[in-house]
Amino acid sequence: DGGITQSPKYLFRKEGQNVTLSCEQNLNHDAMYWYRQDPGQGLRLIYYSQIVNDFQKGDIAEGYSVSREKKESFPLTVTSAQKNPTAFYLCASSIIAGGADTQYFGPGTRLTVL
Amino acid sequence: AQTVTQSQPEMSVQEAETVTLSCTYDTSESDYYLFWYKQPPSRQMILVIRQEAYKQQNATENRFSVNFQKAAKSFSLKISDSQLGDAAMYFCRYTSGTYKYIFGTGTRLKVLA
Repeated sequence: DGGITQSPKYLFRKEGQNVTLSCEQNLNHDAMYWYRQDPGQGLRLIYYSQIVNDFQKGDIAEGYSVSREKKESFPLTVTSAQKNPTAFYLCASSIIAGGADTQYFGPGTRLTVL
Repeated sequence: AQTVTQSQPEMSVQEAETVTLSCTYDTSESDYYLFWYKQPPSRQMILVIRQEAYKQQNATENRFSVNFQKAAKSFSLKISDSQLGDAAMYFCRYTSGTYKYIFGTGTRLKVLA
């Protein structure tokens, strides 16, 4: 089955630690995205990538880093510089990046900082 | 800057009835796309319907339809014959060609049996 997988589903981190969230897609999509969701708020874009080896900052990139070494994979690292990292993180992909794209979402990762 | 507003934090509808969720947006662009997404308790976002701003005809997908009023910058979602499985958070999203992806804060829909 084609789709987007995110792992782990739940993640706990101690303050001061970096942590990496995994996102894999087998839809052959060029574009991939990371969003953050907080209670009472909509999704906010962290980073997006239009093509392998290229990525752009979204609205709230501070304290996060990404890589796009393979078309299928777009991992997100939450660094210790992120002051309030507890949130729900959603990965998405689309055929191409741009206004007309329909984004397909993964099941999400819930990150909790202890 | 573009903004998206969903003014109804929560709505309730009786099973088999019709409900309309509102979404308004602000933009100075003429070419953009609007989407409604559903987020059930599993929290996976599911595309419900999309509308291209250049199309005057309102989009329809089975029991889901939109009322797109471009001049008023309004994009409401109508759910007909509501079912228990429709209970979820619904998010409106604005997207433009300049890689702007803006979500509203969501409306929680409860379906009463």
